[in-house]
Amino acid sequence: GQNIDQPTEMTATEGAIVQINCTYQTSGFNGLFWYQQHAGEAPTFLSYNVLDGLEEKGRFSSFLSRSKGYSYLLLKELQMKDSASYLCAVKNNAGNMLTFGGGTRLMVKP
Amino acid sequence: DAGITQSPRHKVTETGTPVTLRCHQTENHRYMYWYRQDPGHGLRLIHYSYGVKDTDKGEVSDGYSVSRSKTEDFLLTLESATSSQTSVYFCAIRDGQGETQYFGPGTRLLVL
Repeated sequence: GQNIDQPTEMTATEGAIVQINCTYQTSGFNGLFWYQQHAGEAPTFLSYNVLDGLEEKGRFSSFLSRSKGYSYLLLKELQMKDSASYLCAVKNNAGNMLTFGGGTRLMVKP
Repeated sequence: DAGITQSPRHKVTETGTPVTLRCHQTENHRYMYWYRQDPGHGLRLIHYSYGVKDTDKGEVSDGYSVSRSKTEDFLLTLESATSSQTSVYFCAIRDGQGETQYFGPGTRLLVL
């Protein structure tokens, strides 16, 4: 089975940096995704990690440690529009399914 | 834009009635997925398809059936809707590189 944990809510200030953690215990692993979801909208793809290390994409970076079952999403220079839920998802060994964590709701305050 | 549409976008129905949700894609992707999203549970996989007439169950498949008679359409059917099936339903496709899933706009279903 898969168990994926994320904090339920986080609050941060505009212009700051925030790190959203995701830990997983899974029977198989073939990559980890981060999605952003604004209220009332569909999830949109942010990043994909399959090897250990940091992947940087503009203001967003994602890190993976497979030995620790741990990932984080780092958001820099926070903007009000970054207020959203951030979903961590693990891909199974066969590569055909994702299992999602419950999501982290981030509130950015002025 | 991954060319995914869902219909209807909103539906209110009564307990015991059948409901069919449609997912339509325009880019000939092989894999299609149906998820439901509920507060406190995140996104959970209901069923997925890996080709025409090829489907498999996900984590929460009880009470749901699917069909895929052509590449572009993936249908989700609630044979007899229950209040516990009130949810937001998202369809997704997996892109040509085989890695990322992209989501449709969702269908809000309320079962009274």
